[in-house]
Amino acid sequence: SAVISQKPSRDICQRGTSLTIQCQVDSQVTMMFWYRQQPGQSLTLIATANQGSEATYESGFVIDKFPISRPNLTFSTLTVSNMSPEDSSIYLCSAGGLNTGELFFGEGSRLTVL
Amino acid sequence: GENVEQHPSTLSVQEGDSAVIKCTYSDSASNYFPWYKQELGKGPQLIIDIRSNVGEKKDQRIAVTLNKTAKHFSLHITETQPEDSAVYFCAAIPSLEKLTFGTGTRLTIIP
Repeated sequence: SAVISQKPSRDICQRGTSLTIQCQVDSQVTMMFWYRQQPGQSLTLIATANQGSEATYESGFVIDKFPISRPNLTFSTLTVSNMSPEDSSIYLCSAGGLNTGELFFGEGSRLTVL
Repeated sequence: GENVEQHPSTLSVQEGDSAVIKCTYSDSASNYFPWYKQELGKGPQLIIDIRSNVGEKKDQRIAVTLNKTAKHFSLHITETQPEDSAVYFCAAIPSLEKLTFGTGTRLTIIP
């Protein structure tokens, strides 16, 4: 299994600001993803973080709002830009191997926008 | 794309009894079906999974069954304990990436 560390674990931010969430995996993984989980809801995929190239975004999510970087096989960042209260949510990083299909999750970053 | 339905949304079970959570999926190409347990304030934890070439898999008190013809799979927890209380998510994956999650089941074990 992979151990995934996210930071910050939680933050309170002001409307209009941006926050970058970091995700570090303890081993080289093929796939990294970013999910959003609103209170009491299921997980929604934001994008696939591709190493060395632009992320692949799901419908409803755009690069200008959620820029993602993945400079190597073990690290990725998600930025939530120009935040509004609707962005208050838990953001989860996940990672896994292409061949195994198993995906593991970080503990999440709980974001509150005032 | 894949669509995963999960039932029930909430489930209360007396300690020691069994709990069953059911999921259906739409994409016949899906071939990997994991189950995640999420405790309050934590990320989802992979607890068991099953691949399409297997009909059943068991790990101590947890088992998962898969019916590919009917496109449904189930999580079975026997001899439930208070620490089993959590939200459980099923998921399906039609390709080598992009898990599609069910809506979740909040399981409460009554002491």
